[in-house]
Amino acid sequence: GNSVTQMEGPVTLSEEAFLTINCTYTATGYPSLFWYVQYPGEGLQLLLKATKADDKGSNKGFEATYRKETTSFHLEKGSVQVSDSAVYFCALSDQIKAAGNKLTFGGGTRVLVKP
Amino acid sequence: DSGVTQTPKHLITATGQRVTLRCSPRSGDLSVYWYQQSLDQGLQFLIQYYNGEERAKGNILERFSAQQFPDLHSELNLSSLELGDSALYFCASSVGSTNEKLFFGSGTQLSVL
Repeated sequence: GNSVTQMEGPVTLSEEAFLTINCTYTATGYPSLFWYVQYPGEGLQLLLKATKADDKGSNKGFEATYRKETTSFHLEKGSVQVSDSAVYFCALSDQIKAAGNKLTFGGGTRVLVKP
Repeated sequence: DSGVTQTPKHLITATGQRVTLRCSPRSGDLSVYWYQQSLDQGLQFLIQYYNGEERAKGNILERFSAQQFPDLHSELNLSSLELGDSALYFCASSVGSTNEKLFFGSGTQLSVL
């Protein structure tokens, strides 16, 4: 079945540091890939997505490129802020014959940015 | 605020009991999804409803059931509760049945003692 593996946290950084969170996946077919973010006490929010190979998703300074050859979708940000402290989830979409929609999530990576 | 409302926010109960979690989707969204988040299992898809009908099923136990009502709100019923059912239960909604942008509620924290 489908699965998503992401680096374990917590990841602790200083403000303005470069952030990378690794994500690799196993899937049949051609899934869409996502990064969701969960801020403390809140539900998950879609951060960015990519629907086909070599697509780059970007939002709020975050970027991730869909790499089919390495089955990866690593999240990067060039200069993090304290407000980026959150848990980040990599996910893939397993559309069930266009009749349903199931997201498979990785285990989440907690990021803590210190001033 | 995602627009998805879940109640209650916290629920404490005993083993063997039954509870009902409620979710109101964003205005206009027809799909409702239920997810379970626990420390050992991570975020697991349970079930999806679209416009009142079950559309996709994941790792949902037989002791659990869900439904979506004509006003589109959804309820997740958990029965014969076990200690291992303690988790954060999220509801999410989307516009269509295959729309991949999900909007999540803040979750219901269930503690089974």
